[in-house]
Amino acid sequence: DAGVIQSPRHEVTEMGQEVTLRCKPISGHDYLFWYRQTMMRGLELLIYFNNNVPIDDSGMPEDRFSAKMPNASFSTLKIQPSEPRDSAVYFCASSPRPNTEAFFGQGTRLTVV
Amino acid sequence: RKEVEQDPGPFNVPEGATVAFNCTYSNSASQSFFWYRQDCRKEPKLLMSVYSSGNEDGRFTAQLNRASQYISLLIRDSKLSDSATYLCVVKEITGGGNKLTFGTGTQLKVEL
Repeated sequence: DAGVIQSPRHEVTEMGQEVTLRCKPISGHDYLFWYRQTMMRGLELLIYFNNNVPIDDSGMPEDRFSAKMPNASFSTLKIQPSEPRDSAVYFCASSPRPNTEAFFGQGTRLTVV
Repeated sequence: RKEVEQDPGPFNVPEGATVAFNCTYSNSASQSFFWYRQDCRKEPKLLMSVYSSGNEDGRFTAQLNRASQYISLLIRDSKLSDSATYLCVVKEITGGGNKLTFGTGTQLKVEL
């Protein structure tokens, strides 16, 4: 299995632009998580899905952030409009079922200038 | 108060030393516990799960104290390759959900 696949690996964009991050979870995993990591705040859970349904989006910072999971093999995290304070590493992770570990993708390093 | 708290470190130790990391969590409903390891500019990876009775994996020992809401990780005979950030992770399972909360991590540097 290729593991969790994220794209792009790096993204540099100008403030105000729309950014879309993509994730392909491990096949057969029912849970998908989006995290953001910064030096100041560590790893923060933004949203997670169970069987493509959003379960908890309380970590999504504001309306500029949205996430979708149209099918079991694909999810997107969109930021519109982007701001410099959104600069961070965004990780996607998937998990087969409750009480098991989450497997992380390699992350997308986002820089908003 | 943060849901999962760790001493950020860094812990600078000589090779061969024993080092212990502590973690406290605030939600008594938490049901599963893990230690993850994160190398610089890499993704977090599972180091070990933490069981109520405590568990060991080679040089690594994890302990859980539910009454005190406290988790620990002990590394014996530390190696240069153990240098990384260690993340305490707590999982809640509520209403069919599966929320996984990370501490901010403790940085370990093992030196010659």
